[in-house]
Amino acid sequence: DTAVSQTPKYLVTQMGNDKSIKCEQNLGHDTMYWYKQDSKKFLKIMFSYNNKELIINETVPNRFSPKSPDKAHLNLHINSLELGDSAVYFCASSQDRLAGQETQYFGPGTRLLVL
Amino acid sequence: AQTVTQSQPEMSVQEAETVTLSCTYDTSESDYYLFWYKQPPSRQMILVIRQEAYKQQNATENRFSVNFQKAAKSFSLKISDSQLGDAAMYFCAYNLGETSGSRLTFGEGTQLTVNP
Repeated sequence: DTAVSQTPKYLVTQMGNDKSIKCEQNLGHDTMYWYKQDSKKFLKIMFSYNNKELIINETVPNRFSPKSPDKAHLNLHINSLELGDSAVYFCASSQDRLAGQETQYFGPGTRLLVL
Repeated sequence: AQTVTQSQPEMSVQEAETVTLSCTYDTSESDYYLFWYKQPPSRQMILVIRQEAYKQQNATENRFSVNFQKAAKSFSLKISDSQLGDAAMYFCAYNLGETSGSRLTFGEGTQLTVNP
């Protein structure tokens, strides 16, 4: 069974379009995250939610809007896509945001290419 | 600034040999957690090993072990008896817990090649 799943795995789209990436975890975790991996493979936090509550909102353009309908899902909607948004987006989850030792489990990533 | 530095962009090792990947970090916190993640060509991020900063004993996980030097803020990963399947990008990361919203802060990564 897949612990953290993301759809789609690949997304090719034109500049200016709006797209969404979905993430679901079946681990019963309370906290979910979005990370962005750029073309140099550098990974950086974008957002985190704990039990549907926004915890981290890093300096991300407001074209990016996360939505958590329940604690098992965290979606990422991106408006007016730009070339610089091309990257791999990873969803992750962990049991408890108050415990830094909790392992974060990652989804397979979504490779977004903006043309 | 809170940072993680991996000074070796690329490393290579012969199959069955041992290799050590370096990682240093900077934080003013005393409690934190350190991780090594592996990213093979499949792109999946896989936890290799983790270490609690309050523990003096170095973590080990089968062929993987760490050398944790808290005073030096160093957290290197040793891979023994390297296998072809160990070829991947390796990321060092720390988590400061509640202080940082439990985010992982990653280094730039080290690309490991295993030669047969």
